[in-house]
Amino acid sequence: GIQVEQSPPDLILQEGANSTLRCNFSDSVNNLQWFHQNPWGQLINLFYIPSGTKQNGRLSATTVATERYSLLYISSSQTTDSGVYFCAAQGGSEKLVFGKGTKLTVNP
Amino acid sequence: NAGVMQNPRHLVRRRGQEARLRCSPMKGHSHVYWYRQLPEEGLKFMVYLQKENIIDESGMPKERFSAEFPKEGPSILRIQQVVRGDSAAYFCASSPGSNLQPQHFGDGTRLSIL
Repeated sequence: GIQVEQSPPDLILQEGANSTLRCNFSDSVNNLQWFHQNPWGQLINLFYIPSGTKQNGRLSATTVATERYSLLYISSSQTTDSGVYFCAAQGGSEKLVFGKGTKLTVNP
Repeated sequence: NAGVMQNPRHLVRRRGQEARLRCSPMKGHSHVYWYRQLPEEGLKFMVYLQKENIIDESGMPKERFSAEFPKEGPSILRIQQVVRGDSAAYFCASSPGSNLQPQHFGDGTRLSIL
């Protein structure tokens, strides 16, 4: 089945800095989603982005399906951005396959 | 516009007891998925259901675990004779149809086994 790898595994930023998180996947995808898991464990849906580019406030994402990767950009980071960011991909089956996540810590 | 509703949010059981986790999908969604997140890990797929049918249970342990999505009412994930290793966060997701649409997740149920 499809495999999903995320990098970096850990990222520490100072408030106001920008960052890029990467997600590589091993096969063509029908669905790719980015999530933020906050310190309370809730899973927040950030983007549904099987291809192309989307923006939502300080966050944007780009998926290049032909090269099998997706990027999540966080600009002007805030302490509330801390948590774990997951990428999840769906290939030929209905299930989402999650990466291991990038743990982001934003210090004031 | 209610999202995916899971309850309870937290559940504590002793070894050997049964755990029942409930999930009400978003209005208009007929596809339900259950995922498990062990401590410090990503989410892993367990089972995919449509109304009254299990479509894919390839991620479900063969024993003690079962899932249903009846014609009326929420989807239920049932774990019999729980063991310490079942301690995890269990997430439910729903979608309106095929895998060309995003899955929407609930807040999860945190199961702790004493």
